[in-house]
Amino acid sequence: KAGVTQTPRYLIKTRGQQVTLSCSPISGHRSVSWYQQTPGQGLQFLFEYFSETQRNKGNFPGRFSGRQFSNSRSEMNVSTLELGDSALYLCASSQDGPNYGYTFGSGTRLTVV
Amino acid sequence: QQQVKQSPQSLIVQKGGISIINCAYENTAFDYFPWYQQFPGKGPALLIAIRPDVSEKKEGRFTISFNKSAKQFSLHIMDSQPGDSATYFCAARKGSGGGNKLTFGTGTQLKVEL
Repeated sequence: KAGVTQTPRYLIKTRGQQVTLSCSPISGHRSVSWYQQTPGQGLQFLFEYFSETQRNKGNFPGRFSGRQFSNSRSEMNVSTLELGDSALYLCASSQDGPNYGYTFGSGTRLTVV
Repeated sequence: QQQVKQSPQSLIVQKGGISIINCAYENTAFDYFPWYQQFPGKGPALLIAIRPDVSEKKEGRFTISFNKSAKQFSLHIMDSQPGDSATYFCAARKGSGGGNKLTFGTGTQLKVEL
């Protein structure tokens, strides 16, 4: 069974640009969540999508957005990049229900210069 | 507001020893408490999880102890091995209606020495 696939693995962008990150969940998982991981702030929740609808949203500015497609694949977009957006962006998928945990992808390492 | 507090920040244990990592939470609406293990360059991997109706859960060398009244839970790694050297995160999730959002602790860097 394939795991959670995130592309690209590494990305270098310039301040002010925008970026789109992609996530393919495990087959059958309809819940996809995104996290930002930095040394200073740890793992911070960005948003969760379930059946193409945003179900939860973290405390990030509107520059951070996401969407989910009918095949459960998800993308997140960051517009007007800032230096502080440099981080590891992790996608996680899950079956829905109280006893299911996440499976994380390996992440996309974004560096903003 | 940090809803899940994790300690210690780092831990060095001798091979064969017991590693203990502690977490405390504030929100009584949390009803699912997983632990994740993360190696450099990888995403976190689910290690073991517990629900508050159980005081202890064991899977191999890994045990979660849960104290609902104190709002604390801990991870015990028995017979620690160098391959256990990684960063460990505790987390908590709200009950029904909360979706799958996890609130993570700040992480513990474990090093197991020979």
